[in-house]
Amino acid sequence: AQRVTQPEKLLSVFKGAPVELKCNYSYSGSPELFWYVQYSRQRLQLLLRHISRESIKGFTADLNKGETSFHLKKPFAQEEDSAMYYCALSVYGKLTFGQGTILTVHP
Amino acid sequence: GAGVSQSPRYKVTKRGQDVALRCDPISGHVSLYWYRQALGQGPEFLTYFNYEAQQDKSGLPNDRFSAERPEGSISTLTIQRTEQRDSAMYRCASSLSGGASKNIQYFGAGTRLSVL
Repeated sequence: AQRVTQPEKLLSVFKGAPVELKCNYSYSGSPELFWYVQYSRQRLQLLLRHISRESIKGFTADLNKGETSFHLKKPFAQEEDSAMYYCALSVYGKLTFGQGTILTVHP
Repeated sequence: GAGVSQSPRYKVTKRGQDVALRCDPISGHVSLYWYRQALGQGPEFLTYFNYEAQQDKSGLPNDRFSAERPEGSISTLTIQRTEQRDSAMYRCASSLSGGASKNIQYFGAGTRLSVL
């Protein structure tokens, strides 16, 4: 069975500092990975997906099959990045989520 | 038009009562998913539909939980004889087409269920 692990429940950084939210997965097949974000009082929404290889709001994530990781990175964190972040693995459309990381960016 | 709509937003019920949670997906979306999220955890898959057909119900925890989507649009998740452990956020999502991991799932605001 597939599994997603986000080892940090809480992550605090100062504005302008680099940030990395860790995600590891276990899945025997070819993974489809996503990062979802939930800002305060908003619904869960897609941030980015590995097949797009794009940068959204300055965030990037690279799939590393050797390390089975899909870490989310941003070189300069902003206060508006404070939110709950979920890494998710999709198998035939079903999403398996990690437990989430709360990111707080201090001014 | 609008995004995924869930109702009610909050539901408080007494143990033993039945509850029905509703999800109205984005118009034209073929697939509809139900997830449950306990406090401090990520969402967990319950079941999903392509059109009106329930494709996978492997995540439903027991036979008190059921879901339907009779006309391929609105879906109802029903919990019979609720128990305190059923208290959670119930999230619905829809996507353009089913079974394809590449399709983005759009989530509703969720229904917060509290069983007293």
